[in-house]
Amino acid sequence: DAKTTQPNSMESNEEEPVHLPCNHSTISGTDYIHWYRQLPSQGPEYVIHGLTSNVNNRMASLAIAEDRKSSTLILHRATLRDAAVYYCILRGTNAGGTSYGKLTFGQGTILTVHP
Amino acid sequence: EPEVTQTPSHQVTQMGQEVILRCVPISNHLYFYWYRQILGQKVEFLVSFYNNEISEKSEIFDDQFSVERPDGSNFTLKIRSTKLEDSAMYFCASGRTSTDTQYFGPGTRLTVL
Repeated sequence: DAKTTQPNSMESNEEEPVHLPCNHSTISGTDYIHWYRQLPSQGPEYVIHGLTSNVNNRMASLAIAEDRKSSTLILHRATLRDAAVYYCILRGTNAGGTSYGKLTFGQGTILTVHP
Repeated sequence: EPEVTQTPSHQVTQMGQEVILRCVPISNHLYFYWYRQILGQKVEFLVSFYNNEISEKSEIFDDQFSVERPDGSNFTLKIRSTKLEDSAMYFCASGRTSTDTQYFGPGTRLTVL
């Protein structure tokens, strides 16, 4: 699996936007960029994913660089509940377009949200 | 909203004993996974399961580990002879397809004494 690089930790204040970066310079053309997060003492939770275009959902936005070598997860207004470890994961596909099912987690970014 | 459930939430066992960790995936999902997370470390993939057989497994998933879907709802992970280093959180996950989002359960904390 292609490797991702994320900062070890970031801090934010409540109700402010948070931009969590991820570098994936060895990404291949068929790799999807997935973000999961893990709240304290819980299992990982899906946040968002994309391939080339920016994506929005109710939880967050994903901005993908034009060359796809980096991406940014955007939390528009951080809440205390958003304090978690955020994982940027590349999910590859084989020649037939089928994803390799497993998720390969790195160390992620520990996000601290201050009241 | 449907969710993945796991039992027990905490299992304490003696080294060398067998343990079975249980998971109930989301009902219309076809792909099932086990991951583990040793305290303070990253989440590691163990095994994926589809159509009643293992589709992929990691180096961690050796002969001491097995998985089974004994009925239409449960998905189990068995460790035949536990070691101290098996102490970890074990997460079950499921997805509708191999490309779909994976939904994780709350985990079972396994403590091997």
